[in-house]
Parts: sequence; structure tokens; C-alpha cells
Amino acid sequence: AAGVIQSPRHLIKEKRETATLKCYPIPRHDTVYWYQQGPGQDPQFLISFYEKMQSDKGSIPDRFSAQQFSDYHSELNMSSLELGDSALYFCASSRTGVNSPLHFGNGTRLTVT
Amino acid sequence: GESVGLHLPTLSVQEGDNSIINCAYSNSASDYFIWYKQESGKGPQFIIDIRSNMDKRQGQRVTVLLNKTVKHLSLQIAATQPGDSAVYFCAETSVYNQGGKLIFGQGTELSVKP
Repeated sequence: AAGVIQSPRHLIKEKRETATLKCYPIPRHDTVYWYQQGPGQDPQFLISFYEKMQSDKGSIPDRFSAQQFSDYHSELNMSSLELGDSALYFCASSRTGVNSPLHFGNGTRLTVT
Repeated sequence: GESVGLHLPTLSVQEGDNSIINCAYSNSASDYFIWYKQESGKGPQFIIDIRSNMDKRQGQRVTVLLNKTVKHLSLQIAATQPGDSAVYFCAETSVYNQGGKLIFGQGTELSVKP
């Protein structure tokens, strides 16, 4: 079965640079979520989109922005990168409805040096 | 507020034994709960879910128990296998919150000894 696809798998950036992470949800899923996971921590919710509109917002820095496009793929844009932004970034998708769990991609590991 | 997992609890079991992983959730309004398994270098993988109108749900080798009175979830894994070694997270949300966030609880690292 098709899964959530994230690219790139690994990304190395320097401080103050920008990064763009991409997410392709499972076909027919209408909601996309972004999570950040630090070492040994649980995933922390950043932002979500339902039918291309922002639906919820968590602890996302102002330096980050995201959007969902007409084909339902989503991009997370990160500017003025800081060392503390180094983490795993997961995208998840779901199909709105009862008993609809989130399905996660395998993440992008961002390292800021 | 959001749960923060700074120190992962660890559960070590012998292959073939049953495992029980516990989780406390934070929001009384949550009505949908999910267990995820996360292996190193991978994203969380769905295991089993339960709605708040149930107190028990069974899957293949896994059972989830929900106690709404004390806001507690547990995941039982029968006949634990080495492939079950991973970090396990519970998560909560509301099915009526379209596109709303899923809040993760503190993970538990399960280690299965052959």
C-alpha cells in the first residue's frame, strides 16, 4: 500500500540558512500534519492542513511556514536555521472521518551545523 | 498542556512473555486514542486505536485498554517477539476535531531479550 513520502531523508544545513521539506500524503488523504521530534522525545505537533487550509497550529516557530498545495502535497519551509532546529521532521496524513489514524512518513533528519 | 518526553521509560522482557506498556493522557475531552510503534530511523507506525465509547479493543497479539476515569491507556502485547523491540507511544485526539493535532504521550522503550 502507498505510504506517506517525505523528501529529502537527510538534510545538512548551516546556521541561518533555509530548508524546505516536502511531504506527499497517501492518496485520498485530505489532511497533512507536520511534527518535530528531538532525540529521546515524543513527536511535537507543528502545524496541520485540511483541504489545503491551515487547520491547527502548535509550537511552530515564526521562522517556519508551511502550505498544502492543490495536489495535496505539503512543504515545510524553515528559515534562519538555528542549531536547535536539528531534529527529525515527520509528516503524517489522514482521511477525515471517524476512526482515521494518522499515517506517518519516515521523516527528514535535519542537521544544522 | 503538551506532553514532553525527556527520559524514556524502558521495559525489558523475555521473548515469549507478555508485555504491558502504560500511558497517561492529558485531555479529558479526547475521545480517540492511538498506539504507535517507532523503530529507530523510522516514523511512528500505527498499531491499534480505540474510541472513548469502548474500554477494550483487541488486534492481532495486541490489546488496548482504556480507563477514562483515571485517563489511562495500556497496550498489551502477547508473546512478545524480538521484532517488537521499539519505542511505543500513545496519542490522543478528538475525532470531531477535523485536521486537529494528535498529542503524543511519553514513549516507552521496549527491549525484548531472546
